[in-house]
Amino acid sequence: GESVGLHLPTLSVQEGDNSIINCAYSNSASDYFIWYKQESGKGPQFIIDIRSNMDKRQGQRVTVLLNKTVKHLSLQIAATQPGDSAVYFCAENDAYKYIFGTGTRLKVLA
Amino acid sequence: NAGVTQTPKFQVLKTGQSMTLQCAQDMNHNSMYWYRQDPGMGLRLIYYSASEGTTDKGEVPNGYNVSRLNKREFSLRLESAAPSQTSVYFCASSGGGLITGEQFFGPGTRLTVL
Repeated sequence: GESVGLHLPTLSVQEGDNSIINCAYSNSASDYFIWYKQESGKGPQFIIDIRSNMDKRQGQRVTVLLNKTVKHLSLQIAATQPGDSAVYFCAENDAYKYIFGTGTRLKVLA
Repeated sequence: NAGVTQTPKFQVLKTGQSMTLQCAQDMNHNSMYWYRQDPGMGLRLIYYSASEGTTDKGEVPNGYNVSRLNKREFSLRLESAAPSQTSVYFCASSGGGLITGEQFFGPGTRLTVL
């Protein structure tokens, strides 16, 4: 079936550096994608979204890039802070529901 | 606004017991969802309700039933709990429609089945 996956299960980044979290999706018909952040013991929180008619979208310190040719999504976090430590999920829209990836844990090193 | 609320926060059951997880949202959203999250894994959709009065199976519906009680409330029932249902359960809601937009998640229910 269709699936969303992530290349790296754990990413360690020095505080102040930029982080890049990647995601591959397999459904070429998906037209909407979301990145979520999940802190320990909490539910996922929306970070940023992007529609398939866009290649790039920027938020505050975060940028999502979409490459439809290779079905790849990435989340860039600028000047990573300790508060960014969490698990990050990408999700693709499938009609009325979403398909989530397994997640990447981001560890910020002091 | 409280957003999405879930009760209980924690629950321990014995094999074969039944229980209902409650979820409510105050954002006037059309769509609601139940997910389970196992250690080291992503969210897997159990059931969803695209709009009031409709429910549909997700990826892992076996052993569960749902009720969309009204636009605000969406409950998940385990009729006969099994150890394999030990997990964290998240309820979510979204505005709805074919492009659903952001999903808002509740804080989760940690369920242990002995």
